[in-house]
Amino acid sequence: AQSVSQHNHHVILSEAASLELGCNYSYGGTVNLFWYVQYPGQHLQLLLKYFSGDPLVKGIKGFEAEFIKSKFSFNLRKPSVQWSDTAEYFCAVNGYSGNTPLVFGKGTRLSVIA
Amino acid sequence: DVKVTQSSRYLVKRTGEKVFLECVQDMDHENMFWYRQDPGLGLRLIYFSYDVKMKEKGDIPEGYSVSREKKERFSLILESASTNQTSMYLCASTSLGGLEWYNEQFFGPGTRLTVL
Repeated sequence: AQSVSQHNHHVILSEAASLELGCNYSYGGTVNLFWYVQYPGQHLQLLLKYFSGDPLVKGIKGFEAEFIKSKFSFNLRKPSVQWSDTAEYFCAVNGYSGNTPLVFGKGTRLSVIA
Repeated sequence: DVKVTQSSRYLVKRTGEKVFLECVQDMDHENMFWYRQDPGLGLRLIYFSYDVKMKEKGDIPEGYSVSREKKERFSLILESASTNQTSMYLCASTSLGGLEWYNEQFFGPGTRLTVL
């Protein structure tokens, strides 16, 4: 069965610090990978996604993620966080072929302090 | 803009009551999903549907059922609500077609259900 592991439950950073959130997945085939974000009181929305091609994926709001197949990882990065990045971040995966639902990690809460 | 709407933002029910949570999407999406979101547990899939009148169990279907009579509407039913079903419920939809079947899932705002 597919699973997603997010290493950090809660991360606290100062503004302008660099961010890296870890995500590892377990799946026996080719996968699609996603990062979603949930700002306080708002809908879940897509930050970025990887299907194929360049393993370095750029998303909205200056976020990027790198797919490292050998490590089954898809870590999220941002060089300089802002207070407005305070949110909960979810990594998700599904199988490349077939119509399979997403499997989500447990989420990482990011708090950015001034 | 894709819109996924849920019938209530907040709902309070009593143990044993039958509860209906409604979800409507306006983009003619084939696939619809119900998740529950709990702190420290992330999103867990309850049920999903690929088409009208079709349903598939997710990871935690016990205590829930679903109904999809029309393409745009997907209902989650708690036959007899219990306190351990107090949670945030999220509906999502996505399209199916060609090489882009893995399109982004669009989420509704969620319904925070409290069962007393």
